[in-house]
Amino acid sequence: GQQVMQIPQYQHVQEGEDFTTYCNSSTTLSNIQWYKQRPGGHPVFLIQLVKSGEVKKQKRLTFQFGEAKKNSSLHITATQTTDVGTYFCAGGGRNSGGGADGLTFGKGTHLIIQP
Amino acid sequence: NAGVTQTPKFRILKIGQSMTLQCAQDMNHNYMYWYRQDPGMGLKLIYYSVGAGITDKGEVPNGYNVSRSTTEDFPLRLELAAPSQTSVYFCASSYSADIGNTIYFGEGSWLTVV
Repeated sequence: GQQVMQIPQYQHVQEGEDFTTYCNSSTTLSNIQWYKQRPGGHPVFLIQLVKSGEVKKQKRLTFQFGEAKKNSSLHITATQTTDVGTYFCAGGGRNSGGGADGLTFGKGTHLIIQP
Repeated sequence: NAGVTQTPKFRILKIGQSMTLQCAQDMNHNYMYWYRQDPGMGLKLIYYSVGAGITDKGEVPNGYNVSRSTTEDFPLRLELAAPSQTSVYFCASSYSADIGNTIYFGEGSWLTVV
């Protein structure tokens, strides 16, 4: 079955440093979604990428979808303490409708920020 | 607008006991889901529903049951609780399964089986 690998599992950064998490799929994806989960909280949808090579930005966050639609990355510029949490990618299978029943979640990257 | 509401937030069960996690959404979403999240891990789909009266198994359905008698409610039942079911459970919903649809999660239910 489809597998979505996410690295690194943990990332410690100093406040103000950049942060990147990478997501790789064993199969071609129809789309990829990114979620953020604060400690003790629930996942919150950040963005979805659908097109090959797509790049989207949300303020200090930049999301990329690979040309082959098998990998994605999330980059945060100049991290702030409010960025603390776990970032999950979730890949939609090529033959699925792309909805959550076809989503496979990565294990997440835990971002820890030291002031 | 409450969104997705889950109850209870915390529960301790003894091995072999049964319980139901309640989930309700007020967004008129067709799709509803139950996920479990083990410590430090991602989300695994237990069951999902594409509409009232229709449910389907996800990745890890064993030990659980669901029903969807109304659009709003999607309860998850644990029969004969086992320590392996200690986890955080998230209910979620979306309007459809089309690409571009946002999935909304409830705040989670922390379950410990002892």
